[in-house]
Amino acid sequence: GAVVSQHPSWVICKSGTSVKIECRSLDFQATTMFWYRQFPKQSLMLMATSNEGSKATYEQGVEKDKFLINHASLTLSTLTVTSAHPEDSSFYICSAPLAGATGELFFGEGSRLTVL
Amino acid sequence: AQSVTQLDSQVPVFEEAPVELRCNYSSSVSVYLFWYVQYPNQGLQLLLKYLSGSTLVKGINGFEAEFNKSQTSFHLRKPSVHISDTAEYFCAVRRRSGGSYIPTFGRGTSLIVHP
Repeated sequence: GAVVSQHPSWVICKSGTSVKIECRSLDFQATTMFWYRQFPKQSLMLMATSNEGSKATYEQGVEKDKFLINHASLTLSTLTVTSAHPEDSSFYICSAPLAGATGELFFGEGSRLTVL
Repeated sequence: AQSVTQLDSQVPVFEEAPVELRCNYSSSVSVYLFWYVQYPNQGLQLLLKYLSGSTLVKGINGFEAEFNKSQTSFHLRKPSVHISDTAEYFCAVRRRSGGSYIPTFGRGTSLIVHP
């Protein structure tokens, strides 16, 4: 099946620094990718839809300047958490739909961010 | 609008026992339904999906689910669970957003299999 890879899997950073998380579709092209945030023991919260060649679409309540999304190519989307604070600590997951598939998504392994 | 309700936050069960994880959805239009599994500190894997046709859907790892339109349910079942089935399970409904289809996830059910 299709593969989506995230990097890094784990990242620890100091408060005030920025962290970049990459999401790659390894064997298919993805014009759209989705970024989710997951709190412990909770469901996935859609943060934004990343669109190749255009601006990302953010869900209500998600700060655009805080969570910068760039979809530079058909296989790569990045999420940058700017000026990170401890409350940004979370598990971030990306996913990409396979073109032509009916709503099926393939998920990355997730990235656990800890802000000290 | 679409929403997904997973009625049980946690389901403990003994190994080799049957299990059912419940999922109800609300939608004003035709739906596509999915079950995903998440192991600790990992992304989600698709277990099975219902798009159309037979209401009984078989997935990976011996799981199956039945789409019941009248009860707006899509419960997940397995006749005999293993320790390795311990994980978080998410039910999802597809919703359209622009040109893409985005699943709306339930809150998840933690399946805990005891030896």
